[in-house]
Amino acid sequence: AQSVTQLGSHVSVSEGALVLLRCNYSSSVPPYLFWYVQYPNQGLQLLLKYTSAATLVKGINGFEAEFKKSETSFHLTKPSAHMSDAAEYFCAVSPYFGNEKLTFGTGTRLTIIP
Amino acid sequence: EAGVTQFPSHSVIEKGQTVTLRCDPISGHDNLYWYRRVMGKEIKFLLHFVKESKQDESGMPNNRFLAERTGGTYSTLKVQPAELEDSGVYFCASSQAVWGYTFGSGTRLTVV
Repeated sequence: AQSVTQLGSHVSVSEGALVLLRCNYSSSVPPYLFWYVQYPNQGLQLLLKYTSAATLVKGINGFEAEFKKSETSFHLTKPSAHMSDAAEYFCAVSPYFGNEKLTFGTGTRLTIIP
Repeated sequence: EAGVTQFPSHSVIEKGQTVTLRCDPISGHDNLYWYRRVMGKEIKFLLHFVKESKQDESGMPNNRFLAERTGGTYSTLKVQPAELEDSGVYFCASSQAVWGYTFGSGTRLTVV
């Protein structure tokens, strides 16, 4: 069975500061991992995905995530926060390539302090 | 290209009533998914259509929920009768290629 844990349901950072959103997964097979973002009144948008190629994955809007098998983590980072990054972020896992059923974490709401 | 459209965007109904949510996927997308997020919890998979066939409905909570996909195009999710615990945001997504999910904006359902 797959599971995802997102540490911190709310994270606040100052504009220009580092953004770090944590995600740990549990999987009995090599996982495929995703980060989605939901802006207010919008649908979920794919930020980036890990599919067993490079362990450091770059996504849209300057975000990146590093797959660390030894730590079962897939933390999301951005060097410098922007006001437009305020949103809710979801980490998700899928067990097989081609099986698109996703298991999500509980989400982290990111607030940017001016 | 038009995105995934869900309506209504909000619905408030009384316990015991029936509600039907609709999802219009991106034209040509064979795969259609329903997910639900109950307040403060994770987004959970409900079911997956390939064209008009149910590929996986393991996430459907009980038999009060009925999903259909007419002619492999739009899909409806009916809740009958609605209970308080059915409140949440219902997301639809469609895809054609693997990992090509596009999510709709969701329907916020409130059962009072």
